[in-house]
Amino acid sequence: AQSVTQPDIHITVSEGASLELRCNYSYGATPYLFWYVQSPGQGLQLLLKYFSGDTLVQGIKGFEAEFKRSQSSFNLRKPSVHWSDAAEYFCAVAPMNYGGSQGNLIFGKGTKLSVKP
Amino acid sequence: DAGVIQSPRHEVTEMGQEVTLRCKPISGHNSLFWYRQTMMRGLELLIYFNNNVPIDDSGMPEDRFSAKMPNASFSTLKIQPSEPRDSAVYFCASRGGRTGGEQYFGPGTRLTVT
Repeated sequence: AQSVTQPDIHITVSEGASLELRCNYSYGATPYLFWYVQSPGQGLQLLLKYFSGDTLVQGIKGFEAEFKRSQSSFNLRKPSVHWSDAAEYFCAVAPMNYGGSQGNLIFGKGTKLSVKP
Repeated sequence: DAGVIQSPRHEVTEMGQEVTLRCKPISGHNSLFWYRQTMMRGLELLIYFNNNVPIDDSGMPEDRFSAKMPNASFSTLKIQPSEPRDSAVYFCASRGGRTGGEQYFGPGTRLTVT
């Protein structure tokens, strides 16, 4: 069965420091991969997605993620964190035939990011 | 585009009452998803529709929960009767038909059952 693991429940970084949030997936083929962000009291917003091609993908708000097939990972990074980045981050995976009736995403449990001034 | 619209944003009700949550997906999207989010269980998929047809309702916790999508622009999630353990944030999301399209989430409905 497909699954997504985000090993860090809570991370605290200082403003201006770099950030890496980990995501590992379990799937028999290369899936579609997503990172979403949820600010307090808000819905989930898509940061970036990987379907194919370049394994380093750029997203909104200065985030990027790298797909590593050998490690079944899709870690999220940001070179310099801003206080407004404090939120919860969710990694999600979908099968390669995602679309139409195959619509489900499998979400990780999320990583809560706190930013110290 | 207004995005996915959910109503109400907050709902407080007493145990045993019927609760109806509403969702308007993004125009042109043909898949709609209902999720529940709690501290204990995280984000759970309850049910999803494709072209107004329920595809997978295996996440619906009990018969007390039901969902409908009478047309492409409206869906409801009903809980009858409600229980305190149903307290959660319920999200609706929609997705376009092209392969790999991402899901767009609504702001959620925070349900409190006392």
